[in-house]
Amino acid sequence: SYELTQPPSVSVSPGQTASITCSGDELGYKYPCWYQQRPGQSPVVVLYQDNRRPSGIPERFSGSSSGNTATLTISGTQAMDEADYYCQAWDGGTVVFGGGTKLTVL
Amino acid sequence: QVQLVQSGAEVKKPGASVKVSCKASGFTFTDYYIHWVRQAPGQGLEWMGWINPNSGGTRDAQKFQGRVTMTRDTSISTAYMELSRLRSDDTAVYYCARSGTAGTSLDYWGQGTLVTVSS
Repeated sequence: SYELTQPPSVSVSPGQTASITCSGDELGYKYPCWYQQRPGQSPVVVLYQDNRRPSGIPERFSGSSSGNTATLTISGTQAMDEADYYCQAWDGGTVVFGGGTKLTVL
Repeated sequence: QVQLVQSGAEVKKPGASVKVSCKASGFTFTDYYIHWVRQAPGQGLEWMGWINPNSGGTRDAQKFQGRVTMTRDTSISTAYMELSRLRSDDTAVYYCARSGTAGTSLDYWGQGTLVTVSS
């Protein structure tokens, strides 16, 4: 079955740039999406179709993908960005999530 | 505005079944897929399956085949997910979410339903 791999944790200082990677076979062709989940809340999509932001998502969130890797980049990271982040892709009509990355802002 | 409102928390015994509902509003129910995603305590998101409310067709993750049943009632814009033969490791928050056709994001999520399986 298809798998997506993310680092369990990433740390960043406030104001710096955070990068979270997601790897999977030919992921760049599968329009990866990214979700933010704060404790006790439902997930929220922050990027879709690789690098599109839904309305209301700050411009500091951006994404890219190529080959087997997708990357979520948060520029000028703020304390409110501390959360779990999940990548997601479709594979053969099914949905797959990465294991999630806990972003710590310290 | 788009809303997905789920039924309340459930406590079930091992071996029982649970049925969670997801009532949609603010959009045309039959134009979007409804997905079910669960999250065990302290764990990540796990996709369970989707239903196409227009056709009633479903697709579920291999892990849940034979145990999960997804249905819908278009007259009340509500989707249902029933999980049978519950085990303790089925204890989780269960979410419904909508998406467009394959390849699109899950753009709106319900508030989640906690299902606790305990003897």
